[in-house]
Amino acid sequence: GNSVTQMEGPVTLSEEAFLTINCTYTATGYPSLFWYVQYPGEGLQLLLKATKADDKGSNKGFEATYRKETTSFHLEKGSVQVSDSAVYFCALSDSNDFNKFYFGSGTKLNVKP
Amino acid sequence: NAGVMQNPRHLVRRRGQEARLRCSPMKGHSHVYWYRQLPEEGLKFMVYLQKENIIDESGMPKERFSAEFPKEGPSILRIQQVVRGDSAAYFCASSPPGSSYEQYFGPGTRLTVT
Repeated sequence: GNSVTQMEGPVTLSEEAFLTINCTYTATGYPSLFWYVQYPGEGLQLLLKATKADDKGSNKGFEATYRKETTSFHLEKGSVQVSDSAVYFCALSDSNDFNKFYFGSGTKLNVKP
Repeated sequence: NAGVMQNPRHLVRRRGQEARLRCSPMKGHSHVYWYRQLPEEGLKFMVYLQKENIIDESGMPKERFSAEFPKEGPSILRIQQVVRGDSAAYFCASSPPGSSYEQYFGPGTRLTVT
């Protein structure tokens, strides 16, 4: 079946630190992969996506590379800011069943000044 | 262009009451999806609807839960005779025709059953 596993939080970093949030997946078809961000009190916003192997999604300094060989889509940012504090969700949409998204459990990021 | 709207944002119900959650998709979007997020878990797919049609309800509990998306008005997720285990955040998403893999999410409704 389809599933997404991401590292548990919370993750606490100092401003300007390097961020990695791990995400691995299993899929029956050819998935598209996504990172969503949820700021306090708001809905999920699409942060970046990749639709095929070796694609790199990037946005607002965040990036993630679709690695088919390791079934991973780790989120990285070189220098985090306090404003990046939020919950990050990794998700997949499978080509066999693209109407459904499968989400990881979310990773809370706290960035301290 | 307003985003996906959900109301209420917070809903408190006693056990046995009914809960109605509303979702207005983005303008031009005709596909609506409902997800549930239990505490400390990721979002889980519940149902996918188009106007006046339920396309996929494979994630809906078999009893007490129903959803509709009428020709006019918002999509409604209805939970009858709520129990404490229904306490969760319920998120709605919408997508334009032909682009189901890009879903835009609302802020969610947090249901608390006392």
